[in-house]
Amino acid sequence: DTGVSQNPRHKITKRGQNVTFRCDPISEHNRLYWYRQTLGQGPEFLTYFQNEAQLEKSRLLSDRFSAERPKGSFSTLEIQRTEQGDSAMYLCASSPTSADTQYFGPGTRLTVL
Amino acid sequence: TQLLEQSPQFLSIQEGENLTVYCNSSSVFSSLQWYRQEPGEGPVLLVTVVTGGEVKKLKRLTFQFGDARKDSSLHITAAQTGDTGLYLCAGAWSGGSNYKLTFGKGTLLTVNP
Repeated sequence: DTGVSQNPRHKITKRGQNVTFRCDPISEHNRLYWYRQTLGQGPEFLTYFQNEAQLEKSRLLSDRFSAERPKGSFSTLEIQRTEQGDSAMYLCASSPTSADTQYFGPGTRLTVL
Repeated sequence: TQLLEQSPQFLSIQEGENLTVYCNSSSVFSSLQWYRQEPGEGPVLLVTVVTGGEVKKLKRLTFQFGDARKDSSLHITAAQTGDTGLYLCAGAWSGGSNYKLTFGKGTLLTVNP
């Protein structure tokens, strides 16, 4: 399977704990994106990487959130001191530099108790 | 803020019927994508349209991009139960970066046997 993969698929945590999610994009894709989707809504943009450089962060990405893509391949999204409002589906997508089309992974469903 | 409005929000039909869902905006998009999403999964790309007036067909699905690139429609002929899902449109705004997708809230389609 050469699509975008995300791990874990599900994460249940207690409020105040830290969590980290991983995304492996399609191998030849330079661009990597993180989105968040809550129930009844479409995905909302969080952040974007061109290779290893993080080029934009949404205002939705508070200082408790940090994303990295250290070698321009996989990416991690960490949430510190989780809050119940962080419960959502976290989606990763990737695309080639020259194309608008983004290909999504299966997502990580986070539940904060 | 560039908004995409999708209608209807919910649609329940019988197998074999035809349907059309709409995606509208006051903004011009450089490209627009349609995705289908099933519960607990990430969005799966159906099509990308980039040229005003463009029509693309994918088996029983017909996609149209408005002449002014502000709207799009998805028509399904002879719907099947396997078409059930959340249909999302997403656009890359022509006045900004082409990497950040703005999503509509989606149309939740249920096809009954």
